[in-house]
Amino acid sequence: EVQLVESGGGLVEPGRSLRLSCAASGFAFDEHAMHWVRHAPGKGLEWVSGISSNSGDINYADSVKGRFTISRDNAKKSLYLQMNSLRTDDTALYYCAKDASRDYGSFDYWGQGSLVTVSS
Amino acid sequence: SYGLTQPLSVSVALGQTARITCGGNNIGSKNVHWYQQKPGQAPVLVIYRDYNRPSGIPERFSGSNSGNTATLTINRAQAGDEADYFCQVWDNDTGVFGTGTKVTVL
Repeated sequence: EVQLVESGGGLVEPGRSLRLSCAASGFAFDEHAMHWVRHAPGKGLEWVSGISSNSGDINYADSVKGRFTISRDNAKKSLYLQMNSLRTDDTALYYCAKDASRDYGSFDYWGQGSLVTVSS
Repeated sequence: SYGLTQPLSVSVALGQTARITCGGNNIGSKNVHWYQQKPGQAPVLVIYRDYNRPSGIPERFSGSNSGNTATLTINRAQAGDEADYFCQVWDNDTGVFGTGTKVTVL
């Protein structure tokens, strides 16, 4: 059974940093791209960042480029999102999502999300 | 940047057919994926690459994509189909979601 478990969310002041983690199990982690997708209160889904299976291809939404860094450790079957210079509009539920392919395709499994609240 | 437009809401009578559109410039040239999200739950993939159903998704769900519009069709709508639905594509290695459609089953 595919499982994705996010952790690391919380309440943080604007300008500070936070690191999200996603522990994966139940599939060949090193054969799939992975993504972070967020859902802000009252808004739609927003893709944040993606990383290919071998970390050779990394991409970001314009809204987080230069502030967020995605990474993965295939040996630990884990995905990470380092979030720096956080802003109030980064407040959202952050989902870890498995890609159906090695590169960028559909998101066939999702975690339950980790809540990030940016507020003073 | 590339944009995807969906109707804010769609209402459908129990047992009837709901159609949710996703409009984008020449979207027919892209692979479109559809997700269902119920309140308090993570999204679920219901259609991938325009018309393919993942295992476990009822045959009542189908998709099409041509020109500037992709469509998710829900046949014989059930109360359990009430949810938000989002289309999604890739544009220059950037993920793009549609604005989302709330489906209400009457």
